[in-house]
Amino acid sequence: RKEVEQDPGPFNVPEGATVAFNCTYSNSASQSFFWYRQDCRKEPKLLMSVYSSGNEDGRFTAQLNRASQYISLLIRDSKLSDSATYLCVVGKAGTALIFGKGTTLSVSS
Amino acid sequence: EAGVAQSPRYKIIEKRQSVAFWCNPISGHATLYWYQQILGQGPKLLIQFQNNGVVDDSQLPKDRFSAERLKGVDSTLKIQPAKLEDSAVYLCASSPGGGEKLFFGSGTQLSVL
Repeated sequence: RKEVEQDPGPFNVPEGATVAFNCTYSNSASQSFFWYRQDCRKEPKLLMSVYSSGNEDGRFTAQLNRASQYISLLIRDSKLSDSATYLCVVGKAGTALIFGKGTTLSVSS
Repeated sequence: EAGVAQSPRYKIIEKRQSVAFWCNPISGHATLYWYQQILGQGPKLLIQFQNNGVVDDSQLPKDRFSAERLKGVDSTLKIQPAKLEDSAVYLCASSPGGGEKLFFGSGTQLSVL
């Protein structure tokens, strides 16, 4: 089983749609969780951290279920500019972050 | 605040040649990472430094890859000799400590012909 697994997609949605990405991780000792965004031919950039209680940043909502070792990202009212690859990232204190393969989102007008 | 600096931006070499990449992390960040990202994959850790010591190099192909972080600041990653399968983007990242959010440089895209 891979350490971090994501549905690679692609997800093709129209503008204004709501889309959800899921991710599972294998190490129950993981302590830190993030979603990164990566545009084509660019470096990954932090989109948001994921907290146990769930957190929201504008149109983006992240959820964490430690019991199921599951992380999700919900994007509401999709914009063309949301087209990118979304990387699920997991880590624990003192160690390097582990990245999933990424889920590709394409938003069309 | 200056970000993570990497050079060169692109490199094309022939197989069996050697190549080196350079990284300067965000000032004050104790932890520095080199990741390899093959097209269509997520970044994969090659090596993690804490100051000038190696924390994790378990996935570094040590027969051909080497890395150092002298004085706990800048770092270089070397490949010698390169193979076709080394074609990838090499990303340097830094963070205040391990397990914390990473800040990436713009990466070096390596093509091995």
